[in-house]
Amino acid sequence: QVQLVQSGGEVKKPGASVRVSCKASGYTFTSYGISWVRQAPGQGPEWVGWINTFNGDTNYAQKNQDRVTMTTDTSTRTAYMDLRSLTSDDTAVYYCARAAFPYHMDVWGKGTTVTVSS
Amino acid sequence: QSALTQPASVSGSPGQSITISCTGTSGDVGSYNLVSWYQQHPGKVPKLMIYEANKRPSGISTRFSGSKSGNTASLTISGLQAEDEAHYYCCSYVAGTTLVLFGGGTKVTVL
Repeated sequence: QVQLVQSGGEVKKPGASVRVSCKASGYTFTSYGISWVRQAPGQGPEWVGWINTFNGDTNYAQKNQDRVTMTTDTSTRTAYMDLRSLTSDDTAVYYCARAAFPYHMDVWGKGTTVTVSS
Repeated sequence: QSALTQPASVSGSPGQSITISCTGTSGDVGSYNLVSWYQQHPGKVPKLMIYEANKRPSGISTRFSGSKSGNTASLTISGLQAEDEAHYYCCSYVAGTTLVLFGGGTKVTVL
């Protein structure tokens, strides 16, 4: 079945960087993009960005576009999200989701908790 | 861009129908039929319930339906059941740098 398996939770200090991975299985990886969505405690989801897994093109939300980088490794069917210069505002559960288009997220990973604390 | 506007809470009795609204602008909801709805139970992963304003993914109950008029999209749950108690978030495509906006979410309570 279609599945997205994310990396484990992370605890980071302010100013550090974090990498979250998302390994896909059960479908042709390059036929769908990957959207990344985060959800701060008690808040609604916030779209972070999208990567076209076929050609590597990316679209990032304006809010964090200077601090985020999304990449993929098609040989291992894995997508990555790097977020730099972390602050406490980045504390959230980060989800990857299969997305043929950035707005159409039909299968979600279980989420990775990123905690930023001094 | 600002988040899409949803009511904070909606409630109904079992068997009733409820409707959740999602109001955007002519730059997002009003210009595209690219509105999705997600259901999220506490501590769980969001689940796609409606896409392209009124289409249901395979496996989603016909009790869930979507519509759109002008700058407002709506999700209707008919025959309300206890398992429908959850948060619901709308989501729309928006032209520009930030391609996707979410609503603030609506908590559905089954009385």
